[in-house]
Amino acid sequence: GENVEQHPSTLSVQEGDSAVIKCTYSDSASNYFPWYKQELGKGPQLIIDIRSNVGEKKDQRIAVTLNKTAKHFSLHITETQPEDSAVYFCAASNPDKLIFGTGTRLQVFP
Amino acid sequence: GAGVSQSPSNKVTEKGKDVELRCDPISGHTALYWYRQSLGQGLEFLIYFQGNSAPDKSGLPSDRFSAERTGGSVSTLTIQRTQQEDSAVYLCASSLRGGQGTQYFGPGTRLLVL
Repeated sequence: GENVEQHPSTLSVQEGDSAVIKCTYSDSASNYFPWYKQELGKGPQLIIDIRSNVGEKKDQRIAVTLNKTAKHFSLHITETQPEDSAVYFCAASNPDKLIFGTGTRLQVFP
Repeated sequence: GAGVSQSPSNKVTEKGKDVELRCDPISGHTALYWYRQSLGQGLEFLIYFQGNSAPDKSGLPSDRFSAERTGGSVSTLTIQRTQQEDSAVYLCASSLRGGQGTQYFGPGTRLLVL
């Protein structure tokens, strides 16, 4: 079955810097890759997703890139702000349920 | 509109007792998912309901875990004879059509087994 690995597990950046989180997946049949943000005490919330027919997608300060050949995808957050501090999860479809990475705790220091 | 709701928000139980966790999905969503999130860990898939199809139970960790979805809406996850290792946050999500549609998560139920 699908296996998703996520790195790093923790990431600390200064406000205004960029943050990059990387994930790899094992099943070449996976074709949908969402990213979720989870704040303390809340359920995960979708922030951006990408399908296998595109290589990059951007939404304001957030972008995701996908390399199907290498089976990896990345989340890029530019101009980070303290409110970006949270745990971020990547996921891959398999095919109807999502297999999640283990999460990255992002801390943005003012 | 209202999002996914779950109850109770917190549950403390004694080892060996049964517990029921409830999920109210977004109205009109045909797909419903249960996940388990252990402390500091990712989300572990448990079970998936899609319309009237037989549920995908491939993620249930043991036969002590079961779930049902009545009338294509509310779902209940039942854990029988709870063990300490069942302590976790149990998250429910719903999706309009299932498949690769966006999953909307509830706030979770925090279960502590003493």
